[in-house]
Amino acid sequence: KQEVTQIPAALSVPEGENLVLNCSFTDSAIYNLQWFRQDPGKGLTSLLLIQSSQREQTSGRLNASLDKSSGRSTLYIAASQPGDSATYLCAVQTGANNLFFGTGTRLTVIP
Amino acid sequence: EPEVTQTPSHQVTQMGQEVILRCVPISNHLYFYWYRQILGQKVEFLVSFYNNEISEKSEIFDDQFSVERPDGSNFTLKIRSTKLEDSAMYFCASSARIDSPLHFGNGTRLTVT
Repeated sequence: KQEVTQIPAALSVPEGENLVLNCSFTDSAIYNLQWFRQDPGKGLTSLLLIQSSQREQTSGRLNASLDKSSGRSTLYIAASQPGDSATYLCAVQTGANNLFFGTGTRLTVIP
Repeated sequence: EPEVTQTPSHQVTQMGQEVILRCVPISNHLYFYWYRQILGQKVEFLVSFYNNEISEKSEIFDDQFSVERPDGSNFTLKIRSTKLEDSAMYFCASSARIDSPLHFGNGTRLTVT
């Protein structure tokens, strides 16, 4: 069964710092990998989706990479802002068309 | 930007009662999903739905659960005979194609007392 792990569980950084969130998964037979943002009590906002054939995707200050063979993905956030404070979830989609989520990294950006 | 909407945002029910959680997916999407997140735990897949039938379901999705698309816009999750452990945030999602991003609603927080 697919297992998705995210490290660290929580991260606190001063405003302006660049940071990296890590995600690993046990079964490399994935369809794609998606990074989400979750604000407290809210739904899931899709940030980036990387197809299994791709190596990375970029959107604004966010860059996500995928190394399918080693079962790893990273989310890089440049020049962090207080508004980036949220929980970031990594999820892999299997051929069965469902997502397996990690436990998330709770990010706090200190002004 | 079109979005997935879920109602109600919070539902409180007594153990043993039936609840129906409602979702309106994005209008041109073809794939629909329900996920749940027990407080402090991972988001878990429940069921996917395509072409008016269940395409995949998890071990969690037993006979207590059912889904329906009663008309062209709504997608519902019914939970019969609710238990305390059904308390969770339930998320609906939809996608245009099997390989496109899932768009999630804001969730319904179900509290079973």
